[in-house]
Amino acid sequence: AQTVTQSQPEMSVQEAETVTLSCTYDTSESNYYLFWYKQPPSRQMILVIRQEAYKQQNATENRFSVNFQKAAKSFSLKISDSQLGDTAMYFCAFMKHNRDDKIIFGKGTRLHILP
Amino acid sequence: SQTIHQWPATLVQPVGSPLSLECTVEGTSNPNLYWYRQAAGRGLQLLFYSVGIGQISSEVPQNLSASRPQDRQFILSSKKLLLSDSGFYLCAWSPSYEQYFGPGTRLTVT
Repeated sequence: AQTVTQSQPEMSVQEAETVTLSCTYDTSESNYYLFWYKQPPSRQMILVIRQEAYKQQNATENRFSVNFQKAAKSFSLKISDSQLGDTAMYFCAFMKHNRDDKIIFGKGTRLHILP
Repeated sequence: SQTIHQWPATLVQPVGSPLSLECTVEGTSNPNLYWYRQAAGRGLQLLFYSVGIGQISSEVPQNLSASRPQDRQFILSSKKLLLSDSGFYLCAWSPSYEQYFGPGTRLTVT
């Protein structure tokens, strides 16, 4: 069975700093998808970034980028120039390359951006 | 563009009362649909998912049930609510692999 582990329950950084959230996963699959979701205080879940395992290039979305290390089964999220609006719970997630399967979510990292 | 709606946004129900939460998706066809529950400050618990009309997979045995009467409609129900059913309920849809979430329903069982 697939598992997703986020080892940092909570983090705080100063505004404008760069922060990295860690995520490791366990799977025997060779092709799969990885995601980072953001849940701000409004509790709406927002897809931040997506990575396909067969793509070596790390995904980026504006200030958000990932460091995907397939051999190490690591998928960290880097937020550059952090803003107060980045304060949220961040969830790492895994999905096999099967549209009808389910996403496995980590337990989340609560990120506080301090003014 | 696609949008997902959930209602109601907030609900307070007494123990033993029935429940019906509705989720609809616009602007797409044949989406996969999901129901999640989230306790305060906790992670997501997948309750049900559906890959087509009338096809429901249950992840957790409980007093909740789900139905998909139409392609883009997903309903979460209970005949008798328990205190432990309180939480934040999220519906999500998927066109392929990533999931997109609705705004959620906050349910308090008193």
